[in-house]
Amino acid sequence: SQQGEEDPQALSIQEGENATMNCSYKTSINNLQWYRQNSGRGLVHLILIRSNEREKHSGRLRVTLDTSKKSSSLLITASRAADTASYFCATAETSGSRLTFGEGTQLTVNP
Amino acid sequence: GAVVSQHPSRVICKSGTSVKIECRSLDFQATTMFWYRQFPKQSLMLMATSNEGSKATYEQGVEKDKFLINHASLTLSTLTVTSAHPEDSSFYICSARVGVGAVGQPQHFGDGTRLSIL
Repeated sequence: SQQGEEDPQALSIQEGENATMNCSYKTSINNLQWYRQNSGRGLVHLILIRSNEREKHSGRLRVTLDTSKKSSSLLITASRAADTASYFCATAETSGSRLTFGEGTQLTVNP
Repeated sequence: GAVVSQHPSRVICKSGTSVKIECRSLDFQATTMFWYRQFPKQSLMLMATSNEGSKATYEQGVEKDKFLINHASLTLSTLTVTSAHPEDSSFYICSARVGVGAVGQPQHFGDGTRLSIL
């Protein structure tokens, strides 16, 4: 079952603006991961944040994790039209090896 | 590095046909591969976890006899949709993870297979 809930479901912004997507989950986790999916393609791993980390950066990406609230956010700064895609969070539970994906956010960056 | 190749990318076939989808890790050994199904504008639904040299672990509600999984080597897993029907039409995606028991590692995804059953 999908434990992640993401909001917003869809986000449309102008190029150059920042985009923030949120993810909530229900169980204890070992780590949380963000993936990107272009239409009709597979998923590309963006960033992994462990349960003992609070913030992580990678290029224009910034991810935060609040385990007390069971939530995470993905911030894309200075967005580009090429960032248009669906973004999914996925959690790996403390015990077990599977990923549970959220429902995803469809991001559209208008040039 | 960590490239996963999935073939074919698109299949269109008649009802009753069996379809095999291959998932290969090109530059690493994957003891565990995963098979997902994705409906339009929806998230990924895990179908099964494929372990090299052993039987796959299927998620609840996924028919083992319908979706046959074979993981005969450290670089290849196959999903066979047997006697496919229109309701099996979907986007199937595989992924692979480096390392044994590597909970803290990302999964690397293939580009998916669009299956259309007429």
